[in-house]
Amino acid sequence: GAGVSQTPSNKVTEKGKYVELRCDPISGHTALYWYRQSLGQGPEFLIYFQGTGAADDSGLPNDRFFAVRPEGSVSTLKIQRTERGDSAVYLCASSPSGDSTDTQYFGPGTRLTVL
Amino acid sequence: GDSVTQMEGPVTLSEEAFLTINCTYTATGYPSLFWYVQYPGEGLQLLLKATKADDKGSNKGFEATYRKETTSFHLEKGSVQVSDSAVYFCALNEFTGGGNKLTFGTGTQLKVEL
Repeated sequence: GAGVSQTPSNKVTEKGKYVELRCDPISGHTALYWYRQSLGQGPEFLIYFQGTGAADDSGLPNDRFFAVRPEGSVSTLKIQRTERGDSAVYLCASSPSGDSTDTQYFGPGTRLTVL
Repeated sequence: GDSVTQMEGPVTLSEEAFLTINCTYTATGYPSLFWYVQYPGEGLQLLLKATKADDKGSNKGFEATYRKETTSFHLEKGSVQVSDSAVYFCALNEFTGGGNKLTFGTGTQLKVEL
């Protein structure tokens, strides 16, 4: 079946601009996660959704970052007033439920470059 | 907070050599443990997992045993192939206070040569 998809695959923007990154999870998965991966590092947690609600947003670095999942399926990560330090690969993952034993299935990522 | 420590890479081996990638963790409770792999040009995918102490996860000839007494989850393979060249990430998930997230190590790059 279809895996997790993310669009766009690459995004280049200028400092100060607004960007939106989209994630389409595996159909039927109630849990959705966003991570950020910098070069040479492991992914770092940003936010976790259970259904439509953000159950844990403790990883969002500041109030320029915001994410929504209005219908419990597709999610959008929004970054305002982008900074060069926001450049990274943004990964989305989904899992069947919110159980910590679940496998999280990752999308291919969106590579964000802030000039 | 939770953390994962992996051996630094790159690790370079000849084909058919034995592989060990060390992973230790810090957690307050009883996390689930995972190894993810990232092949060149591809996304992260699960290699194996173990959800309780003394469980052994295995897949594609790779194995790892959840050792609570040493807080470790070392990855092993008896005979590596060139196609195993990738970056390997150890991770844990400890469901606490409503949070549910993977905490990753920094990754270990494996290069297998003929």
